[in-house]
Parts: sequence; structure tokens; C-alpha cells
Amino acid sequence: ALTQPASVSGSPGQSITISCSGSTNDVGGYNYVSWYQQNPGKAPKLLIHDVTKRPAGVSDRFSGARSGNTASLTISGLQAEDEADYYCSSYTNNDTHVVFGKGTRLTVL
Amino acid sequence: QVQLVQSGAEVKKPGASVKVSCKASGYTFSDYFMHWVRQAPGQGLEWMGRINPKTGGTYTAQKFQDRVTMTRDTSITTVYMELSSLASDDTAVYYCAKDRAGNYYYYYGMDVWGQGTTVTVSS
Repeated sequence: ALTQPASVSGSPGQSITISCSGSTNDVGGYNYVSWYQQNPGKAPKLLIHDVTKRPAGVSDRFSGARSGNTASLTISGLQAEDEADYYCSSYTNNDTHVVFGKGTRLTVL
Repeated sequence: QVQLVQSGAEVKKPGASVKVSCKASGYTFSDYFMHWVRQAPGQGLEWMGRINPKTGGTYTAQKFQDRVTMTRDTSITTVYMELSSLASDDTAVYYCAKDRAGNYYYYYGMDVWGQGTTVTVSS
């Protein structure tokens, strides 16, 4: 699995970044990283695909980046509604094909 | 609108099988892979595999290769995921999710998700 922090927190209006560490077999080797937001009891929602791209309808407060084998999701102008679980995922060249991080719980203080 | 509607909750005994359905609407069914992802209670997401609705070809994560069967019925735009030899740690919510890009080898993200099907394995 990809490595994410278990939790992050921030105050309204601030920016936070969630990291997602992998290897050259996944995050660092391919431009196929996606990020999802999941609210309790709901299905995940796609926020970012192909490392940096936002689907139509996703707020531009969400942005993706990568440096080496670590991808990151930044949420700017934090809002109470951003409180949720966030998952990174990536193509991987092993038999799993798609791998997820264990998720990061974002708390808006 | 693009929509995926899954079958209802299931309760199964250990050793049994379960078959979950996922009906797609609002887009060209054959043009996009359908993925299956599960989430155990309080845990993260786990990718199980995908099916090409056009050809019926599948790619299953190695962990599930001997227990998961994915099929489709193009006449009713529905895909199915059957999991056999159930154990208590298969208790989870199972999601189908449409591939964002189409029927391509790599992974381009999943842009539409079903509502989830809860499968409980208990004796």
C-alpha cells in the first residue's frame, strides 16, 4: 500500500497538504496517480487524476503534485465541508495493478 | 446522468459465495472499464479487479485471482462480481466504479461510483 499520514488538521481558510509515498514501481514511475475524497457512509469521489488534473466540477481549491516517489494533495482555503477521508491511488507494475493508500482523515478545526 | 446502481445487502455464511450486480446507465456501457473496490469496516479502499464490458476480458488483483469472477451482460448494461469461499474478513462494502478514461491498460481513475453493497459474512 502507499503511505499516507493517518490524520491531518487545519483551520478554516488555511492550506493543508496530504502526502502519498510510494516507489518507482508506482507513484514515481508513472503519471497515473488519483486522489479521492470520501465522506462517512458515502462512496468515494474523484478529486484528482493523472497526478495533477482535476475533473470537471471539482473545486480549484484541490490540487495535486508529485516530487520523486511522493505525490501530494493540497487543499487551499480550507472549509468545514472538506472534513473527510482522503485516499491516494496509483497504477503499480506488480500483480496488484492498482494500489491505494490507507487514507488520511482531515479534521477542520 | 451517469449512474451505477448496485444490488442490495447480503448476509452469507463462511464458505459460501456472493454475487453483486452493478447496473450502468447514462453512458456507452461498452466503452469504459468497470472496476470493483472493497472497503472493510473502518478500513481503507482495496482494488479487486476490473472488467472490459466490450470484450468481457478481466484483470484481477493477484490476491483475489482464485476467488473472484467478473462478468457482464451487455443487453442489460450490468456487470457482476462473484466472490467465492467467503470468510469473515470478506465482510466489507463492495463498490463498482466506472473508469474515467475508457478501456485502456493503465489506471486513469474512477469517476463514477455505485452506492456500495454491504456483504456480511457470519456464521
